[in-house]
Parts: sequence; structure tokens; C-alpha cells
Amino acid sequence: EAQVTQNPRYLITVTGKKLTVTCSQNMNHEYMSWYRQDPGLGLRQIYYSMNVEVTDKGDVPEGYKVSRKEKRNFPLILESPSPNQTSLYFCASSQGPAGGWYFGPGTRLTVT
Amino acid sequence: KQEVTQIPAALSVPEGENLVLNCSFTDSAIYNLQWFRQDPGKGLTSLLLIQSSQREQTSGRLNASLDKSSGRSTLYIAASQPGDSATYLCAVCPSGQGSRLTFGEGTQLTVNP
Repeated sequence: EAQVTQNPRYLITVTGKKLTVTCSQNMNHEYMSWYRQDPGLGLRQIYYSMNVEVTDKGDVPEGYKVSRKEKRNFPLILESPSPNQTSLYFCASSQGPAGGWYFGPGTRLTVT
Repeated sequence: KQEVTQIPAALSVPEGENLVLNCSFTDSAIYNLQWFRQDPGKGLTSLLLIQSSQREQTSGRLNASLDKSSGRSTLYIAASQPGDSATYLCAVCPSGQGSRLTFGEGTQLTVNP
């Protein structure tokens, strides 16, 4: 089954404790991206990648890091989480501009 | 900068009604437009993808149209059911920015039995 998986699905952590949210896709897609969703602000892009070792900032990259060492994986790293990073996070992948985007199930992160 | 607007923000209808959700975007230079469904606290499920060269796409009771020149898309849901209750999101993929989607705020649909 074609899918994007994220782990963990739910995470409660404390300010400053480094964490990683994993994302994996099994569709051999070139493009991958991270979004966060907040009430009243909608979905905003954090980072994206158009290929292995190629990543770039989206609209709200501050406080986040990513890496793309393998085509299928695109982890999101919060090196020093803060309460304003409490949000619902989505990973997505696509075969390219003409292809549609597939979204993962989301990771609900709470930073206290 | 591309902006996407969805009207109405919320809609409540009785079961069986046909309904239309609206999406407008400010820049007609797009690769495609995609409609998603999101259940509360859940992920985004793709419903329909319309390429910029297409006028409409259909899947079951859903029909999406695209008028790129006027910057508008509609999602038509026929014979609505309580299971259709969800938030519907419209997103465009801007030309030259194939790595991103720009989303609207969504329409929260409630279908009452």
C-alpha cells in the first residue's frame, strides 16, 4: 500500500529536550516536505526536499532542522523545542510538480 | 504571493443535500489544484487532483472544477451523507514552486442525519 508514515504519532516533551520525528514514504517520490498546522494559521511549510541531499527552507523554518540522506526518509529535528512549537505536524511526499501530494497521518507534539 | 481563500468557513446541511464548496486563488500560474479531506485531529486524505490544463475531475459523488483564468475551483458533493462531515481543504501548487502547496483555511462541513 502506498503510504507516508510518521512516528511518533503523539509526543509530549519538555522545553529544550531534543527530539526527532521520522517520516518515510514507500512510493519512490523525489519530493518530500514538512508542514505544521495551527488553529487560525492553517498549514504552513517548514522545510522541503527535492532529492537526496537537497533541502531548503519553507515559510516557517526557525527552530527546525531536516536531513535527506535516503530517498525514502525525511526526518524533522527539533534541537531545542519550545512551547511555540506545540502543533500538529505533517510529512508529505510527491513525485514532482505535476503529481499530487500524499500526506502522513500527522504527529501531535506538545512542548511544556 | 499566492493566497488561497475558501468560502464558506463552515457549512451545515441536512443529509441528502447537494452542496458546493468554493476555493479561490490569487495567482493563476499553477501546476495543479488538489482537494483534501481532513477529519478532526487526523491526516489529510487526497480527494481530487486537477492539473492546470484540466477543467474538472470526478470521483464517485465528488466533482471538482477548475477555472484557472478566474482563479476559482469548486468541489461539488452530491447526495451528502453524515460520513461526509469533515474539513475540506483546497491547495494549489504554484508554477515554479513545485515543492510546495499553498493551502486555504478550509471549509468545515457538517451533514446532519
